[in-house]
This record gives sequence, C-alpha cells and structure tokens, in this order.
Amino acid sequence: NAGVTQTPKFQVLKTGQSMTLQCAQDMNHNSMYWYRQDPGMGLRLIYYSASEGTTDKGEVPNGYNVSRLNKREFSLRLESAAPSQTSVYFCASSEIGAVQETQYFGPGTRLLVL
Amino acid sequence: AQSVTQPDIHITVSEGASLELRCNYSYGATPYLFWYVQSPGQGLQLLLKYFSGDTLVQGIKGFEAEFKRSQSSFNLRKPSVHWSDAAEYFCAGVLSGNTPLVFGKGTRLSVIA
Repeated sequence: NAGVTQTPKFQVLKTGQSMTLQCAQDMNHNSMYWYRQDPGMGLRLIYYSASEGTTDKGEVPNGYNVSRLNKREFSLRLESAAPSQTSVYFCASSEIGAVQETQYFGPGTRLLVL
Repeated sequence: AQSVTQPDIHITVSEGASLELRCNYSYGATPYLFWYVQSPGQGLQLLLKYFSGDTLVQGIKGFEAEFKRSQSSFNLRKPSVHWSDAAEYFCAGVLSGNTPLVFGKGTRLSVIA
C-alpha cells in the first residue's frame, strides 16, 4: 500500500516549457487535490477533484490545468512554465471529500523554472 | 476573509522542554481544525483534528491541542519535546460550509540539546 505517489520528484524547466506532474493513490479515495508550497506561504490549493469526472479551481489556479484521468490518478499540467511557478507541489487525497476528513499527502515534486 | 494564522514563524526549544505552537482562525462558527507535521523533504502527516465534542484533542506522537472558541485558537502542545520533533507544523481549517481546507503559513520547530 504505497498511499499517494508523485512523479517526478524533481524537475528543472526553462521558461515556456510545458510539463505534467503525475499523482496516483491506491487508497480508493474519491477526492484528490493539488497544492503548491512556497516559503513563508504555507500550502495553497491549486485545483481539486471531489470525485472522478469533476474538477474545481482552488485559490491559485492560474497557469495550471488538471485532469482526473480515473479514480486513482490526478495530473497537473503547466502549459507554459514561468519562474513564478517554481515551487514544491503536493498531491493529496481524501476518502469522500467531507470537511472533517484527513487528507493524505504525497512526498512532493520540487519544480525549478529558470 | 477566512484565514488561519500561525503567529510564530520559527521556534527553538530544548530537548525535554514543553512546547506550545499557536494557531488562530478567523470566521467559522463551527470550524474543522487540523494540525499537520512536515518532516524535512517529506509530505504532510496529520497529527490531530477537531470538529466537535471534547475541546482537548489527543493526537499521535504525544501531541495534543485545545480548541478555545472564545479565543478563536487551536494551539498545539507537547509536554516534553524530542529531537525527532524538529519539523514544520501547519495548522489548517475548514472555516465555513464546504469551503476547501485553508492552511496557515507554518511554524518551523528546531530542537536543541
């Protein structure tokens, strides 16, 4: 039982390049989330998917797109990377998305945009 | 605006000393509150959570937190800190309805011998 896995662990991009961050969970959870973590800013929600087939914007969605490929997988795409998107990205999941639920986090993807 | 505030950016305590990390929230008659811990290079792990009932909540690793509605606070405590507790601690909350989880900016804990 791996929990939440993320690939890649680390990536360097040049400004304007595109890439997709992958996330998968094996806990049969319905809800999945993408956050970014910046120094002194805590975690901020980018997008979330309450259930398979649905996605919603979070606090900082600009410059990102997401795909809920199936119940297990939730990817985050940067179409044209910018230096402001240098950050650590965390994927998380929860059972049904209820407000009192625990979210389970992956180990993160560290992204550097030059 | 709904927010979770952690007033202390960095705290240093001696091993064996007691610890209290502060967390305040704005808005929310019935908030759902959480404390997560992030060890260096790792994802976040839930320490404890509060959503109703007893205002003193016990968590993993010997941590506890007390919800005080009158002070809009949910402070995290541990009676005796171990070197392995050095990490970043995040308070988070769902402050109204079905709004997404909001995180504080985190408090980094250093433990010295």
